[in-house]
Amino acid sequence: AQSVTQPDIHITVSEGASLELRCNYSYGATPYLFWYVQSPGQGLQLLLKYFSGDTLVQGIKGFEAEFKRSQSSFNLRKPSVHWSDAAEYFCAVGSSSNFGNEKLTFGTGTRLTIIP
Amino acid sequence: DAMVIQNPRYQVTQFGKPVTLSCSQTLNHNVMYWYQQKSSQAPKLLFHYYDKDFNNEADTPDNFQSRRPNTSFCFLDIRSPGLGDAAMYLCATSWGQEYSGYTFGSGTRLTVV
Repeated sequence: AQSVTQPDIHITVSEGASLELRCNYSYGATPYLFWYVQSPGQGLQLLLKYFSGDTLVQGIKGFEAEFKRSQSSFNLRKPSVHWSDAAEYFCAVGSSSNFGNEKLTFGTGTRLTIIP
Repeated sequence: DAMVIQNPRYQVTQFGKPVTLSCSQTLNHNVMYWYQQKSSQAPKLLFHYYDKDFNNEADTPDNFQSRRPNTSFCFLDIRSPGLGDAAMYLCATSWGQEYSGYTFGSGTRLTVV
């Protein structure tokens, strides 16, 4: 069965500093990987996804992620964070269900706090 | 804009009183999902529909049921809510391909009193 590990429960970063959120996955086949962001009391918004091709993926809001098969990782990065980036970030891996369609398995999330 | 809409945003129900949460979509996606998310936890898949085919997760309690009368609408019924069912309930849709990702609604926050 697939799984996702986000080792950092909570990260605090100064506004303007760079950011890296870690994600490790376990999946027997080619992984389909996603990063979602959730603001308090809101649903999840897709930041970016990887399923093939270039291992460096660009997303919305200035985020990027790099797929490293050898390390089973899909870390999210941003060169300079803004106060509005404070939120919960979830990494997810897509897999096939019994119906042959997609199921997403989420990590436990990383809460990002931005300090002035 | 095409979207996933959940109603209501906030729902308060009494212990043991049946409650229904609704989700609608304008994306015409094949698959609709219901997730339960408790505070500071990952979303947990309860069940999903691929068109009219229902797929229940093995550990979803019998207290939770779902209906999908048509492509656009999907309902989550909690037959006898307990205090442990208080959570954010998220509806999501997708085309059903492994690489397509989900589109989420804004969620319904359920409080049980």
